[in-house]
Amino acid sequence: GQQVMQIPQYQHVQEGEDFTTYCNSSTTLSNIQWYKQRPGGHPVFLIQLVKSGEVKKQKRLTFQFGEAKKNSSLHITATQTTDVGTYFCAGPEGGSEKLVFGKGTKLTVNP
Amino acid sequence: NAGVTQTPKFRVLKTGQSMTLLCAQDMNHEYMYWYRQDPGMGLRLIHYSVGEGTTAKGEVPDGYNVSRLKKQNFLLGLESAAPSQTSVYFCASSYERGRFFTGELFFGEGSRLTVL
Repeated sequence: GQQVMQIPQYQHVQEGEDFTTYCNSSTTLSNIQWYKQRPGGHPVFLIQLVKSGEVKKQKRLTFQFGEAKKNSSLHITATQTTDVGTYFCAGPEGGSEKLVFGKGTKLTVNP
Repeated sequence: NAGVTQTPKFRVLKTGQSMTLLCAQDMNHEYMYWYRQDPGMGLRLIHYSVGEGTTAKGEVPDGYNVSRLKKQNFLLGLESAAPSQTSVYFCASSYERGRFFTGELFFGEGSRLTVL
């Protein structure tokens, strides 16, 4: 079945540094979604990307969808302690309603 | 609106016992999902449903059964619990944006299950 790979698995940064997590799919995706899970919490939807080459921004967060619609990235500029958590990407498997998640990137921020 | 509600939030079982996790959503969503989350493994899809009366297998369906008798409820059953099923279980729901096009997932707060 489809695999959604996410790297890195862990990232530790100093507050104010930038952070990027990458998501790669073994197949072309119709869309990709990103979620954030705070420690002890549940995943919360951040954004959905649909178009090839799409770039969307939410304040300090920048999301990109690759031209081939097989990869995506999330970049955080000038991290803050509130950015701590695990970031997941998710894509539909084989054009179905089955949403498959990457293993996530756990971000820790040192104040 | 309560959103997605999971019960119970915590449960300890002995090997071989059975139990049912209940997920209820009040957003009139068509799609509902059950995921399990284990350290370092991310979120793995167990079963999902695209509408009342329908269910389908996800990535890790073995040892679990589900039912969607009412649109707002999605039940996850463990007939004979095993220690390997110790995990945090998340239910999620979403609206349908189009054929094979899932909207954003709304997650419940999770149910932590321990099997001894």
